[in-house]
Amino acid sequence: QSALTQPRSVSGSPGQSVTISCTGTSTDLSGYNSVSWYQQYPGKAPKLMIYDVIKRPSGVPDRFSGSKSGDTASLTISGLQAEDEADYYCCSYAGIWVFGGGTKVTVL
Amino acid sequence: EVQLLESGGGLVQPGGSLRLSCVASGFTFSIYAMSWVRQVPGKGPEWVSSVSSGGTTYYPDSVKGRVTISRDISRNTVYLQMNSLRAEDTAIYYCARNTPPLGSFDYWGQGTLVTVSS
Repeated sequence: QSALTQPRSVSGSPGQSVTISCTGTSTDLSGYNSVSWYQQYPGKAPKLMIYDVIKRPSGVPDRFSGSKSGDTASLTISGLQAEDEADYYCCSYAGIWVFGGGTKVTVL
Repeated sequence: EVQLLESGGGLVQPGGSLRLSCVASGFTFSIYAMSWVRQVPGKGPEWVSSVSSGGTTYYPDSVKGRVTISRDISRNTVYLQMNSLRAEDTAIYYCARNTPPLGSFDYWGQGTLVTVSS
């Protein structure tokens, strides 16, 4: 199964919103609601930010939101802050887990 | 506080074997599925294996037959036995807890580095 497709990088100024897309096949995404997003700082383990497409774990700021339409899931960061600069990975579960290649978010 | 602590990584020759361990604490280990996920620095993570709370195991085709996941409830530990290791198995291996019922990974360990090289 191929990896999910994400843009390599997105950027925004503090306070702006950025959206990261995650595109798969109909097998990967469209039939299931098990899409999750992870934030990773250099040298650190990934951290769960969004699960089941739209749910936020306790402690994750509500600036982070998820959505899905057809074969594409999205993570939106509203009110961008300096500490949001990190790599972000999407993941889909459809019997097996498939990750995206990652998107580097840069805060200008 | 949920903690996952991996150990067992290191340098191994191609064709060799390695067993990774992950000790869990801070939650009721027996009721959660657990997984191993690996990552080559600079690349996206790759799922390696999972074991359900009931002991059912899951593997992707890329490692099936070479990798075995197991868990010891009495020791709050999940293991990953890796055989016939290849250079492409070189990665940081993370232990992760699954959100119920399985769909995502809500806690991760700090990772242990496995290097396959002669």
